Amino acid sequence: EAQVTQNPRYLITVTGKKLTVTCSQNMNHEYMSWYRQDPGLGLRQIYYSMNVEVTDKGDVPEGYKVSRKEKRNFPLILESPSPNQTSLYFCASSPLGGRSNTEAFFGQGTRLTVV
Amino acid sequence: QKEVEQDPGPLSVPEGAIVSLNCTYSNSAFQYFMWYRQYSRKGPELLMYTYSSGNKEDGRFTAQVDKSSKYISLFIRDSQPSDSATYLCAALNSGYSTLTFGKGTMLLVSP
Repeated sequence: EAQVTQNPRYLITVTGKKLTVTCSQNMNHEYMSWYRQDPGLGLRQIYYSMNVEVTDKGDVPEGYKVSRKEKRNFPLILESPSPNQTSLYFCASSPLGGRSNTEAFFGQGTRLTVV
Repeated sequence: QKEVEQDPGPLSVPEGAIVSLNCTYSNSAFQYFMWYRQYSRKGPELLMYTYSSGNKEDGRFTAQVDKSSKYISLFIRDSQPSDSATYLCAALNSGYSTLTFGKGTMLLVSP
């Protein structure tokens, strides 16, 4: 089954404690991205990657890091989480090129609370 | 100004009603226009997409794009309670890979 898998689904952490949210896709997609979704603000892109070792900033990259060492994995790293990073996070993947990008496959989401 | 604007709702309709969901956009370079549906506590999933101007129909759903007015619409006929979800419009410039999303409209269809 084609899917994007995020872990964990729920996470409560304290300010400043480094955390990683993992994302893995089994569709051999080149393009992967991270979004955060907040009430009234919608989906905002944090970082994206067009292939292995190629990453770039989205609209709201401050406070986040990513890496793309393998095609299937795209972890999101919060080195020093702060309460304003409390949000619902989604990982997505899609093939590259033309209309292929119209279908982004999303993970189930990770609800992060930073206290 | 956000590149894709969408009324957040909520929009409440009775079962069987025709629903109209709308977005406007500002970037003339957008070529592909999508509608994603997001159920509560789930990730968005693609409902349908349209290339450039025109209509596209899929069952009870019709997507419409008017590039002259930069207007995107989704019509749902014979709406069902199972259609209750947040609907996100999105746009894509064919030269790029990044989707630009609207904020989403919450739709509630009551039995």
